Amino acid sequence: GEDVEQSLFLSVREGDSSVINCTYTDSSSTYLYWYKQEPGAGLQLLTYIFSNMDMKQDQRLTVLLNKKDKHLSLRIADTQTGDSAIYFCAESLYGGATNKLIFGTGTLLAVQP
Amino acid sequence: DVKVTQSSRYLVKRTGEKVFLECVQDMDHENMFWYRQDPGLGLRLIYFSYDVKMKEKGDIPEGYSVSREKKERFSLILESASTNQTSMYLCASSFSHDEQFFGPGTRLTVL
Repeated sequence: GEDVEQSLFLSVREGDSSVINCTYTDSSSTYLYWYKQEPGAGLQLLTYIFSNMDMKQDQRLTVLLNKKDKHLSLRIADTQTGDSAIYFCAESLYGGATNKLIFGTGTLLAVQP
Repeated sequence: DVKVTQSSRYLVKRTGEKVFLECVQDMDHENMFWYRQDPGLGLRLIYFSYDVKMKEKGDIPEGYSVSREKKERFSLILESASTNQTSMYLCASSFSHDEQFFGPGTRLTVL
């Protein structure tokens, strides 16, 4: 079945690293995404990783993928108060005419000054 | 820049009313999606469309219908709104198998 799980809440201090974890169940996922949702806004794509990669780095963001364990993580270095948001991971499943995204429950990241 | 707009940011309706939520995208995307977002449940797919007049049910289509008469516009319809449809509704669009771009959301309250 399709299920994506995340912890609901993470609190860090400004300047520390944040690590948000996600587990998924469908091994046929093609892409895995991280989206960010700021208060009162829609979702904004942060980064993504193709399923045949195990790491991707983009400035302060590092995505790690362990395909064997179906585990995805997002590391934010030098976390700032502006990083406070809800972070969603999503797996992309081929659904015939188009890909469907299966979203996790979202992790609320609170950054303490 | 891709722009996905939704007709209202906030909407308050009464039980039993017919509700229309409109979504428009300006990038000629083939695919459009409607989700609802509830705390602790993440985003759940209601319906999606991969072409004009084409639609497919998502994971929670009950109580909803959709309409796609033009490529840029995808409407979500609540035929008879109920209190358990109080939620944040998010529209998204994409090319083929690419990433989805989201609108700002409509927070619907049904009294």
